[in-house]
Amino acid sequence: GQNIDQPTEMTATEGAIVQINCTYQTSGFNGLFWYQQHAGEAPTFLSYNVLDGLEEKGRFSSFLSRSKGYSYLLLKELQMKDSASYLCAVRDNYGQNFVFGPGTRLSVLP
Amino acid sequence: ETGVTQTPRHLVMGMTNKKSLKCEQHLGHNAMYWYKQSAKKPLELMFVYSLEERVENNSVPSRFSPECPNSSHLFLHLHTLQPEDSALYLCASSQDEKGFDEAFFGQGTRLTVV
Repeated sequence: GQNIDQPTEMTATEGAIVQINCTYQTSGFNGLFWYQQHAGEAPTFLSYNVLDGLEEKGRFSSFLSRSKGYSYLLLKELQMKDSASYLCAVRDNYGQNFVFGPGTRLSVLP
Repeated sequence: ETGVTQTPRHLVMGMTNKKSLKCEQHLGHNAMYWYKQSAKKPLELMFVYSLEERVENNSVPSRFSPECPNSSHLFLHLHTLQPEDSALYLCASSQDEKGFDEAFFGQGTRLTVV
């Protein structure tokens, strides 16, 4: 079966660092994606991992361990505009299906 | 102009109505998707089309009927829906290269069934 887990909600302070974890069990693996979704808006792509290790992209970094079925998204120097839901998604063996986790709602406080 | 455009943005329909959602992508992608997003639930894949051919139908009730006339357009035809079908319906597209490209999403259609 397909199962992706993320914490439901997180809270952090402006300027701080936050780590959002994602664990997955899927029928196959063809890459892990992180998306940001503001309320009432479309999800937008943040990062992609297919090999183990850390991918850095400005204030955002994403880490993958395929053997552990684990990823995290690291957000540095948090800003108020980072308040959003963060969706973890795995592309399965068929290559075309993106399986999404429930999303983590992040609230950044002043 | 955004890469993936959905119309209408909001739709209210009765249970006996027939309506259609439209999605158009201007990115030259080969794969298109319909997702359903309900409150407090993960994005649920409904249909996948690759090169205008349906490659996945995720046990979706027959009251939802997709149509993909070409690689740039995707429709979702709705008839005799139920109140529990009220949700945000998101269209997405991708290049269809396995694993190496992300999905681009439209703004969604907020559907309310009364």
